[in-house]
Amino acid sequence: AQSVSQHNHHVILSEAASLELGCNYSYGGTVNLFWYVQYPGQHLQLLLKYFSGDPLVKGIKGFEAEFIKSKFSFNLRKPSVQWSDTAEYFCAVIYTGRRALTFGSGTRLQVQP
Amino acid sequence: SQTIHQWPATLVQPVGSPLSLECTVEGTSNPNLYWYRQAAGRGLQLLFYSVGIGQISSEVPQNLSASRPQDRQFILSSKKLLLSDSGFYLCAWSRGQQETQYFGPGTRLLVL
Repeated sequence: AQSVSQHNHHVILSEAASLELGCNYSYGGTVNLFWYVQYPGQHLQLLLKYFSGDPLVKGIKGFEAEFIKSKFSFNLRKPSVQWSDTAEYFCAVIYTGRRALTFGSGTRLQVQP
Repeated sequence: SQTIHQWPATLVQPVGSPLSLECTVEGTSNPNLYWYRQAAGRGLQLLFYSVGIGQISSEVPQNLSASRPQDRQFILSSKKLLLSDSGFYLCAWSRGQQETQYFGPGTRLLVL
């Protein structure tokens, strides 16, 4: 079955620390990849996406992600986190021929001031 | 710009009662529409999707049903709620298959 794994369920960082959240997906052909973020009390928002082209994609608020096809990975990074980055982060994949996103279970990021 | 609305925001219902959650999209036409559920401590699971009026596909067997009476309206229903129906229900839309999905604010349902 097609699946998405997020290895870190809960991450606690201090402000200015670097962030990397792991995301791996199971093989299933061509994929479109997404990272969504849910800030406290707000709805899911698109952070960034990869469809094709440069495997290093940049999103909003200084986030970036790198698609490594050989590793089936799409890790999210930010060089220096801020307290306002406290949120839950979801990796998601659409496999070719499917209509629905397959989500990872999410990573709760807590940034301490 | 496009916006997506869901209501109610929160709902507490007794077991065995009916359910109707509504989702509407503004600013686009003929969107693909989706219903997801997020149970506590788990990721999002697709329940239904629709590519047009009256066209509903179900991803998982369950106690729920969906309908799309108008182009930009998507309704999630149940005739008799179960305790296991509790969760956070999200509606989403996209321009087409495999395109970016944009999510509504969600409805938190508690079945007692």
